[in-house]
Amino acid sequence: QKEVEQNSGPLSVPEGAIASLNCTYSDRGSQSFFWYRQYSGKSPELIMSIYSNGDKEDGRFTAQLNKASQYVSLLIRDSQPSDSATYLCAGNTPLVFGKGTRLSVIA
Amino acid sequence: GAVVSQHPSWVICKSGTSVKIECRSLDFQATTMFWYRQFPKQSLMLMATSNEGSKATYEQGVEKDKFLINHASLTLSTLTVTSAHPEDSSFYICSARDWGGASYNEQFFGPGTRLTVL
Repeated sequence: QKEVEQNSGPLSVPEGAIASLNCTYSDRGSQSFFWYRQYSGKSPELIMSIYSNGDKEDGRFTAQLNKASQYVSLLIRDSQPSDSATYLCAGNTPLVFGKGTRLSVIA
Repeated sequence: GAVVSQHPSWVICKSGTSVKIECRSLDFQATTMFWYRQFPKQSLMLMATSNEGSKATYEQGVEKDKFLINHASLTLSTLTVTSAHPEDSSFYICSARDWGGASYNEQFFGPGTRLTVL
């Protein structure tokens, strides 16, 4: 299976701060990348997809892709306690996930 | 986004019995569906890729005779765990791609089925 690597965390940020999540991948042929959020005991929920180099913004979320360096990141602005979850990145299809990064937003 | 459902949401069975889990795409046609398994505090592991009208493709280490997959229509894939044992207790999640939609490359996940084998 193709590999993605994430810092498993936990990553703790105070409420209102910016949370930065990073992911590196090994398959240079990967064309598309996705960020999912998974709450404990629930299935993953798609929050961002990105296909081109650069930034893609959607509300409080910004995904960044750098194909030359083979990394993809997710920024969460104005972090809220409800953002506390495990964030998973994956590329291509079928999606192969790393362990994810556990984010904790502290009120 | 596209909606994927699973049934049942949870099941408890005795060791040695078989359990069938259904995965349905509710508002789109899914020629390909995927089955994942997740143990507590671990990552999702891809088990198999289910293709409508053909045999499933299993990942290395997944027993195809134990985890039977049938994708008989464009909206339904089933996973049958045969002769279940306690070590098969896990969270089983399916996903599907909406090939005909604008977000054709995105995978949408069902809510998952929690299997407990006694």
